[in-house]
Amino acid sequence: QVQLQESGPGLVKPSQTLSLTCTVSGGSISSGPYDWAWLRQSAGKGLEWIGHIYTRGDSGHTTLNPSLRGRVAMSAAPSKNVFSLTLTSVTAVDTAVYFCARAQRGNYYYYYYMDVWGRGTAVTVSS
Amino acid sequence: QSVLTQPQSASGTPGQRVVISCSGGRSNIGTSTVTWYQHVPGSAPKLLIYLNNQRPSGVSDRFSGSKSGTSASLAISGLQSEDEADYYCAVWDDSLDGDVFGTGTKVTVL
Repeated sequence: QVQLQESGPGLVKPSQTLSLTCTVSGGSISSGPYDWAWLRQSAGKGLEWIGHIYTRGDSGHTTLNPSLRGRVAMSAAPSKNVFSLTLTSVTAVDTAVYFCARAQRGNYYYYYYMDVWGRGTAVTVSS
Repeated sequence: QSVLTQPQSASGTPGQRVVISCSGGRSNIGTSTVTWYQHVPGSAPKLLIYLNNQRPSGVSDRFSGSKSGTSASLAISGLQSEDEADYYCAVWDDSLDGDVFGTGTKVTVL
């Protein structure tokens, strides 16, 4: 049974960089037809997809939310079975609960859904 | 502002049937399949429906999904107190080149 666990600082100062890690257990991030995704939810708002990374061996390919492109990056360390999120130049708008998840994707995104989720980690951007 | 519109809230008494709508457009619901998630604040979101109307193993058959054109709906029959949660539709949007979520519907069991 695959499980995901987010980790990272709960508090980040404005203009700094937010870095989060998702540790995957019960399955390998470099095998199987899965994408490994990040999402977030701000207080009182809905869920927002940040992007995902697809890994095979030592290589990874990312697909990112265009609204965050330029500030967001994702990477993976298959040997540690973790994947990570980096968000630069954060502001109060980036205060949210961040989730990592496993995604299943069909050809040409005919289907795309997150079937396993972490419990989320709260991040506050404040000085 | 989301490209997928849901009612802000829905409610019913135990045993009743509740239907939640999700309205989109040709570049999202009109092109790809719809997913529904259940989210109890403070816990991990849960996959409820995928491929418009498929339930993952372990999800009650009281939950059903459908899609027609550029709209989709989630029905909860035999409403139970444990169904109180936020429900989100989601779909890949070809124009935005990303996964988009609905505005979310809070279901209350009266």
